[in-house]
Amino acid sequence: GIQVEQSPPDLILQEGANSTLRCNFSDSVNNLQWFHQNPWGQLINLFYIPSGTKQNGRLSATTVATERYSLLYISSSQTTDSGVYFCAVEGLETSGSRLTFGEGTQLTVNP
Amino acid sequence: DTGVSQDPRHKITKRGQNVTFRCDPISEHNRLYWYRQTLGQGPEFLTYFQNEAQLEKSRLLSDRFSAERPKGSFSTLEIQRTEQGDSAMYLCASSLLFFGPGTRLTVL
Repeated sequence: GIQVEQSPPDLILQEGANSTLRCNFSDSVNNLQWFHQNPWGQLINLFYIPSGTKQNGRLSATTVATERYSLLYISSSQTTDSGVYFCAVEGLETSGSRLTFGEGTQLTVNP
Repeated sequence: DTGVSQDPRHKITKRGQNVTFRCDPISEHNRLYWYRQTLGQGPEFLTYFQNEAQLEKSRLLSDRFSAERPKGSFSTLEIQRTEQGDSAMYLCASSLLFFGPGTRLTVL
């Protein structure tokens, strides 16, 4: 099945700093999403981005499907950005049936 | 709040007991998914439904696990004869975009 690798596994920032999280995937995808999981376990969809670039406030994401990677940018980080960021993909062969998640990037933003 | 609810939020049980979890998805969504997440890992796919039909099951879903979605509305996930290795967060998703808050299972 499709493999998803995220880096870095852990990231510690001071409030106000910028960061870039990376997601590499092993095969062509129908769907790529970025999620944020808060300390209580709730997963929130940030972006649906199988290709191209999207921005939402201080967050933006870019997926280069031909090179099989996606980047999540967080600018002017805040303590509330802390949590785990997951990249999840839907491979062409499993279209509509499941997302395959990476192992996540644990982000800690210190005041 | 994503509009997906799960009950209970926490469950502590003894090894060998049966447990059942419930998921109420967003009403107009046909597809419902179950995932399991262990500490430090990303969620792993267990099974999914299109309306009331269970269309796919992961190899992770042993014969002690059963899921149903009667009438294509809410869904239940039952684990029989629980083992300590079943301790995890069980997540339900409505379509592939909206996840519930999860049920955290601890098997003693």
